[in-house]
Amino acid sequence: SYELTQPPSVSVSPGQTARITCSGDALPKKYAYWYQQKSGQAPVLVIYEDSKRPSGIPERFSGSSSGTMATLTISGAQVEDEADYYCYSTDSSGNHGVFGGGTKLTVL
Amino acid sequence: QVQLVQSGAEVKKPGASVKVSCKASGYTFTSYDINWVRQATGQGLEWMGWMNPNSGNTGYAQKFQGRVTMTRNTSISTAYMELSSLRSEDTAVYYCAREADAGDFDYWGQGTLVTVSS
Repeated sequence: SYELTQPPSVSVSPGQTARITCSGDALPKKYAYWYQQKSGQAPVLVIYEDSKRPSGIPERFSGSSSGTMATLTISGAQVEDEADYYCYSTDSSGNHGVFGGGTKLTVL
Repeated sequence: QVQLVQSGAEVKKPGASVKVSCKASGYTFTSYDINWVRQATGQGLEWMGWMNPNSGNTGYAQKFQGRVTMTRNTSISTAYMELSSLRSEDTAVYYCAREADAGDFDYWGQGTLVTVSS
């Protein structure tokens, strides 16, 4: 079955740029979506359709996609950005979704 | 405002089935697909499948084929996810999520904890 691969963890100091990658064979043809999940809470969408930011999401969150890799970038990461981040996409048929394994972002 | 309100926590024995409900309000229920996602304690998000509330069409992750059934009752704007032949590994929080036109999950239920234990 289709898989998306993320690094288990990323660590940055406050104010630095955090980059979280997501690789998958269908990403050249399918959009990537990014969710932030803080402990005990439901996920929150931070990026959709590779690079679009929902209203209410800070401008420091951005997304890009090239070839088989999508990237979530947090420019000037804040302590409050500490969370688990998941990429999501679909297989080439578009009928089956999949989440990446998640990346724990530490900002300290 | 859009809300998805799920049913309460469940405790089930191995081999049993569980049916979780997800009541939608604040929008036209039949206009957006509902997806189900689960998360075991300390683990990642796992996509289970989708349902079109208008047609009743469904699509399930291969892992759950034959064990999961997603249905709806349009008269009460409620979606259901039933998982059968439960085992301990099915212990998780189960979420319903509305799929927006752009393919993202824009609204989520609060989650339902299903515990499978003998």
